Amino acid sequence: GNSVTQMEGPVTLSEEAFLTINCTYTATGYPSLFWYVQYPGEGLQLLLKATKADDKGSNKGFEATYRKETTSFHLEKGSVQVSDSAVYFCALDHAGGTSYGKLTFGQGTILTVHP
Amino acid sequence: EAGVAQSPRYKIIEKRQSVAFWCNPISGHATLYWYQQILGQGPKLLIQFQNNGVVDDSQLPKDRFSAERLKGVDSTLKIQPAKLEDSAVYLCASSRPGIAKNIQYFGAGTRLSVL
Repeated sequence: GNSVTQMEGPVTLSEEAFLTINCTYTATGYPSLFWYVQYPGEGLQLLLKATKADDKGSNKGFEATYRKETTSFHLEKGSVQVSDSAVYFCALDHAGGTSYGKLTFGQGTILTVHP
Repeated sequence: EAGVAQSPRYKIIEKRQSVAFWCNPISGHATLYWYQQILGQGPKLLIQFQNNGVVDDSQLPKDRFSAERLKGVDSTLKIQPAKLEDSAVYLCASSRPGIAKNIQYFGAGTRLSVL
């Protein structure tokens, strides 16, 4: 079945450091891939998405490229800020059938950025 | 536009008691999802509605969990009787028809503690 694996956390960085959070997936068909972010006390918010191989999703300085050959969708940001501290979830959707739209999430990676 | 509304935000009950959660999706969103997020894990889909019909409830523990969306708008998730392992955050999400239908918008969640 479909699954998503994220790098072990938590991740602790200093402000302006480079961020990478690894995400790999297993899926049948051609899913869309997502990164969601969850700030303390809030629900999940879509950060970025990519719908096909080699697509790059980007938002708020974050980027991720859909790599079909390595089944990966790693999240990167060149210079993190304290306000980026949150939990980040990688997810894929089920591309067809009656479960269209159903999301499978990774376990989440806690990011803490210190001044 | 108003976001996905959930209530209550927090609930503490004893095992074997019953509890209900309410969700009001974004206006016009035909699809509604309930997820269970156990501490340290990613959200897991419990049930997916399309209007007032169930699309997927394969992960819903039907011996104790039930959900309804009678008029195709707001929804209620019930647990009866609750077990200790039901302690989690219950997230509601909604999505709209059309090309953006695989983008889900999440509420802030209900945090349930079963003692």
